[in-house]
Formats: sequence, C-alpha cells, structure tokens
Amino acid sequence: KAGVTQTPRYLIKTRGQQVTLSCSPISGHRSVSWYQQTPGQGLQFLFEYFSETQRNKGNFPGRFSGRQFSNSRSEMNVSTLELGDSALYLCASSPPGLAGGSDEQFFGPGTRLTVL
Amino acid sequence: DQQVKQNSPSLSVQEGRISILNCDYTNSMFDYFLWYKKYPAEGPTFLISISSIKDKNEDGRFTVFLNKSAKHLSLHIVPSQPGDSAVYFCAATQTGANSKLTFGKGITLSVRP
Repeated sequence: KAGVTQTPRYLIKTRGQQVTLSCSPISGHRSVSWYQQTPGQGLQFLFEYFSETQRNKGNFPGRFSGRQFSNSRSEMNVSTLELGDSALYLCASSPPGLAGGSDEQFFGPGTRLTVL
Repeated sequence: DQQVKQNSPSLSVQEGRISILNCDYTNSMFDYFLWYKKYPAEGPTFLISISSIKDKNEDGRFTVFLNKSAKHLSLHIVPSQPGDSAVYFCAATQTGANSKLTFGKGITLSVRP
C-alpha cells in the first residue's frame, strides 16, 4: 500500500505570494491533517479534514486554508506569504476509527517551503 | 501555552545502554499518548502509544510508561542502537471525533557506537 504523498517536496516563494501544497492520503484513509514544523515550535496543528469537511482547526491566521476533495486528497493554501511561514509542512492521514478517525496518524515526507 | 513539553532538547547515550526520553503534559483531558520518530528529510513515523487506562505498554525494545497523577510519560529504549538516532516527538490527544494531535518540540537522540 502506498504511503502518504506530498507535492511538491521543495518550494521557494517570495513574500506576498501565495502557495498551494498537495497531499494524497493512504488509500482508504478519509481523515487528513496538516501540521507546520519549525525548529523553535516543533509540530503545530493547522487543520484536519474528514469527508470534505474541516473538522478541527488550530491557531493559525486566516491566511492558512485548506480543502479536501471527494477522493480524500487535500490541499492547503497560504496566501500573502511572510518570512515566518518558512517551514516544513506535513500532511498526515488516519484510517477510519470508531468516530470517523483514529488517533494514529501516518505522515508524508513533507513540503519544505522557503519564503524569501 | 505548551500543553506537551519535552524539556530536554537532546540526549546522547552509548550503544547497548538504555535511552529514557521524558515528556510532560498539562491538559488533563488528554487520554491517549503517542511517540513518533523522525529522521531528517522524512515525515514522523509512529512508534508506540499508550491509553490512559494503562500505565505501561511494551513493543520490542520500546516501552512507554504513563504516570497520570504526575502527568508524565517516558519512552524507554533498551538496548539502544545507532539506528535509533533520530528526533523523537511525544504527542497527546483526547480520543473522540477528531484526530488532532498536540506535539512536544521533540528530543534529538544520538546513540554513540
């Protein structure tokens, strides 16, 4: 079974631009979560999608948004990029559980975003 | 407010010895805890978990201990191997209708040959 895939793996943008990152979950997984990893803050939860609906959201500004498609693939978008948005963006998918998502998450390799 | 804390940023141990990685949490609603391991240029991979109804869970060389009254958990790796060198993240969640994990900042483990 293929793992979680994320594209692109590396991205360089300039301040003020916008960016879209893509995530394909493991087949059969319907929950997709996004995390931002920075050296000082560790992994911080951005949002989670399940069946095309945002089910949970972290404490990030509205510049960060996401969506999920009917095939469970997910995208996240960051508008008006700032230098501080430079980070590794990780996507994770979860197999179906009793309440629609289990707690064990399977991570992709991440997209390394650099904002200049 | 850091709800999951890994206060030691790094740990170095000799091959064959025990590695003990500590994690503290503040949110009493957390009832499920996980450890993830991360190599450079890769996403975190699930290692072991423990439910709050248990105080110990073992999987091969890895054992996680949970002390609910102290809001403390620890990961023991015995014996440590050079391939265990990685960043280890502690994570916590409240089981329910969502999959939000709250992570600590990670501990870099170095196992010396």
